[in-house]
Amino acid sequence: GAGVSQSPRYKVAKRGQDVALRCDPISGHVSLFWYQQALGQGPEFLTYFQNEAQLDKSGLPSDRFFAERPEGSVSTLKIQRTQQEDSAVYLCASSPLAGGSFEQYFGPGTRLTVT
Amino acid sequence: GENVEQHPSTLSVQEGDSAVIKCTYSDSASNYFPWYKQELGKRPQLIIDIRSNVGEKKDQRIAVTLNKTAKHFSLHITETQPEDSAVYFCAASRSGNRDDKIIFGKGTRLHILP
Repeated sequence: GAGVSQSPRYKVAKRGQDVALRCDPISGHVSLFWYQQALGQGPEFLTYFQNEAQLDKSGLPSDRFFAERPEGSVSTLKIQRTQQEDSAVYLCASSPLAGGSFEQYFGPGTRLTVT
Repeated sequence: GENVEQHPSTLSVQEGDSAVIKCTYSDSASNYFPWYKQELGKRPQLIIDIRSNVGEKKDQRIAVTLNKTAKHFSLHITETQPEDSAVYFCAASRSGNRDDKIIFGKGTRLHILP
């Protein structure tokens, strides 16, 4: 079956632009996570949704970052007024059960480059 | 805050030898410890996981051990093969709470030498 998909795969933004990154989780998966992965680093937790509820957003680095999952399926990570330090791969992962203690299925990521 | 330390950052082993990667965690409430493998340019994929109610788990050439008292866990790969070359990430999380985040280590780049 289809895995987690993300779009766009690559995004180049000028500093100050707003961007929106999309995640399509595996159908029926309850949990959805967003991570930021800088080059040569591990994924850093950004936020977690259980269905449409955003239960944890403690990893969002600033109020320029906003995520939503209004119908408990597709999620969008929005970054306003992008800065160079926002350049990274943004990974989305989903899991069939609630919580972070089960296998997460990762998408291919969106590589964001802010120039 | 919660932290997961992973060592070494780079590891080179001869093909056929064993590789060991070690992680420590800070949150004593953590009870789920997965290991992910990420090949260059690809997405992380789960290779093995362990829960806090067991001390060891094995799957063919891969094994993970957990010491809850010392708050450390390790990945062991035996009879390494070229396809084992990748970046490996350990992680820790706690279940049963609304804030079920998972904290990843910084990764170990494993090189299998021919």
